[in-house]
Amino acid sequence: DQQVKQNSPSLSVQEGRISILNCDYTNSMFDYFLWYKKYPAEGPTFLISISSIKDKNEDGRFTVFLNKSAKHLSLHIVPSQPGDSAVYFCAPLGTDKLIFGTGTRLQVFP
Amino acid sequence: DAGITQSPRHKVTETGTPVTLRCHQTENHRYMYWYRQDPGHGLRLIHYSYGVKDTDKGEVSDGYSVSRSKTEDFLLTLESATSSQTSVYFCAISSGGAADTQYFGPGTRLTVL
Repeated sequence: DQQVKQNSPSLSVQEGRISILNCDYTNSMFDYFLWYKKYPAEGPTFLISISSIKDKNEDGRFTVFLNKSAKHLSLHIVPSQPGDSAVYFCAPLGTDKLIFGTGTRLQVFP
Repeated sequence: DAGITQSPRHKVTETGTPVTLRCHQTENHRYMYWYRQDPGHGLRLIHYSYGVKDTDKGEVSDGYSVSRSKTEDFLLTLESATSSQTSVYFCAISSGGAADTQYFGPGTRLTVL
């Protein structure tokens, strides 16, 4: 019974194009959402977050969109770069803890 | 980079043996967490600590115990390791709780034979 689903295990995008990573959740009480990025053999690192009072948050090439009615959020990376190749986790904030999705592996090729 | 280290980085052990993983931070952060990462599951919270001697269970705490006798160290113990505990274990720290940015250690790869 997964509360957070990232239905695309992997995504391959050409350098310079847009990468769109999706995340669906089931608990309507979630009101704060984070994205973490993970390179192989390293721990995850924080990327960007969004509060439920917003529907969009932007930080450089990274933008997160939140659709509360659909219980859906997405991470857009524009333009994608080879260094963005990593696993991306969405993580809504539950009661005192983050609930991580299963992750999407993004590969950006030249 | 946040000052957070994990030891050992790799360990192979046998079923039934006790194992202790150590997380050490130099940031003086109040909150510390232990996660495990498994294929198809993302990261799952095992235990966390909100201060010295203050700990609580996460979603997959069965078979694990923790201790925090000082701010900088958070120990995860598998009293009797099982093959289902083969995983990559990550420690994380944050200053203000789960909503604050969590900084993760490099991970410990544990194999239980």
